[in-house]
Amino acid sequence: QVQLQESGPGLVKPSETLSLTCTVSGDSISSYYWSWIRQPPGKGLEWIGYIYYSGSTNYNPSLKSRVTISIDTSKTQFSLKVSSVTAADTAVYYCARERFDIVTGQPAFDYWGQGTLVTVSS
Amino acid sequence: DIQMTQSPSSLSASVGDRVTITCRASQSISSYLNWYQQKPGKAPKLLISAASSLQSGVPSRFSGRGSGTDFTLTISSLQPEDLATYYCQQSYSTPWTFGLGTKVEIK
Repeated sequence: QVQLQESGPGLVKPSETLSLTCTVSGDSISSYYWSWIRQPPGKGLEWIGYIYYSGSTNYNPSLKSRVTISIDTSKTQFSLKVSSVTAADTAVYYCARERFDIVTGQPAFDYWGQGTLVTVSS
Repeated sequence: DIQMTQSPSSLSASVGDRVTITCRASQSISSYLNWYQQKPGKAPKLLISAASSLQSGVPSRFSGRGSGTDFTLTISSLQPEDLATYYCQQSYSTPWTFGLGTKVEIK
């Protein structure tokens, strides 16, 4: 059974950098795309970006200037950094696996972490 | 970016009712449409991919249809455990985008 677990500080000061790690267990980190998705309290879901096991990335243009996603295949982990955070970055952050359907070839998020709340406040 | 519009934003229905949620894309996305269920305090769960492909383990009362710009998620007989918010998501082009969600309540 694939499991994803987010970890990192729950409180970050304004203007600082938010850093989270997602640890993957139960399957290889190779051959999949790995995403970060966030959800402000009481609001909807926003895709932040993904990284392929090879290291190639794709970011949401709305956050691209502040976001870095990296991967460590030896540790089966991938990480998120968001710089210059403000209160608007307060959200539950999820990591998720993106798989391509065998029949249709279409992507979808099939496994998610439980999510971690990050609050931006001084 | 492709905008996803869901309706209604919330609904209340009785156990056994047939419930339909609509999702409209701002441009054609073929069948690149996924549906997720998010129960309170939990991560989203993939219900349906590619507009109509039911995921393994998901009850058959859930079904999806549509292509192009208009899609529906139907719960044929609402159960108490279906209390959740449902999101559509397009996987046609990045940035992947989600609808704002439909909150389903049980009368």
